[in-house]
Amino acid sequence: GDSVTQMEGPVTLSEEAFLTINCTYTATGYPSLFWYVQYPGEGLQLLLKATKADDKGSNKGFEATYRKETTSFHLEKGSVQVSDSAVYFCALSDYGGATNKLIFGTGTLLAVQP
Amino acid sequence: KAGVTQTPRYLIKTRGQQVTLSCSPISGHRSVSWYQQTPGQGLQFLFEYFSETQRNKGNFPGRFSGRQFSNSRSEMNVSTLELGDSALYLCASSLDGQGAGETQYFGPGTRLLVL
Repeated sequence: GDSVTQMEGPVTLSEEAFLTINCTYTATGYPSLFWYVQYPGEGLQLLLKATKADDKGSNKGFEATYRKETTSFHLEKGSVQVSDSAVYFCALSDYGGATNKLIFGTGTLLAVQP
Repeated sequence: KAGVTQTPRYLIKTRGQQVTLSCSPISGHRSVSWYQQTPGQGLQFLFEYFSETQRNKGNFPGRFSGRQFSNSRSEMNVSTLELGDSALYLCASSLDGQGAGETQYFGPGTRLLVL
């Protein structure tokens, strides 16, 4: 079945460091890919998404490119801030019918120190 | 526009009891999905409703059920609660759940503790 694998955390960085969180997927169809972020005590917020190969999603300085050849959707940010500390989830939605079920990775905790 | 709202936010129950959680989607959204989040299993899909019909169901026992009303509000019910049902239950809404890459908007969740 479809699945998402993302790097184990926690990831601890100093402010202004470069961030990469790896995400790879397995899907039988043509999935859409998402990054969601969860701040403590809150629900999930969509960070960015990409719906087809070579699409780049971007938001708030975060970027991820849909790489079909490597089945990857790695999240990057050039300069992290303390306020970016949260749990990041990679997810896919395999649109092959009338459903938009999301399959999530295990989440990566990011801690940014001042 | 108001976001997805979930009630109650926190709940404590004992084993064997049942519980009903409520979700109000964003106005105009007709698809509502439910997810369970636990430290051990992560985020898992429970079910999705569209136009009062269950359109997809995850791999959960029959103790987990849901429904959707004509105004798109949704409820989920868990009967005969077990300790392992302690989790954060998240509701998400989207326009109609049929577009590639359609965004799902999540509520803040209901945190259920089963004692």
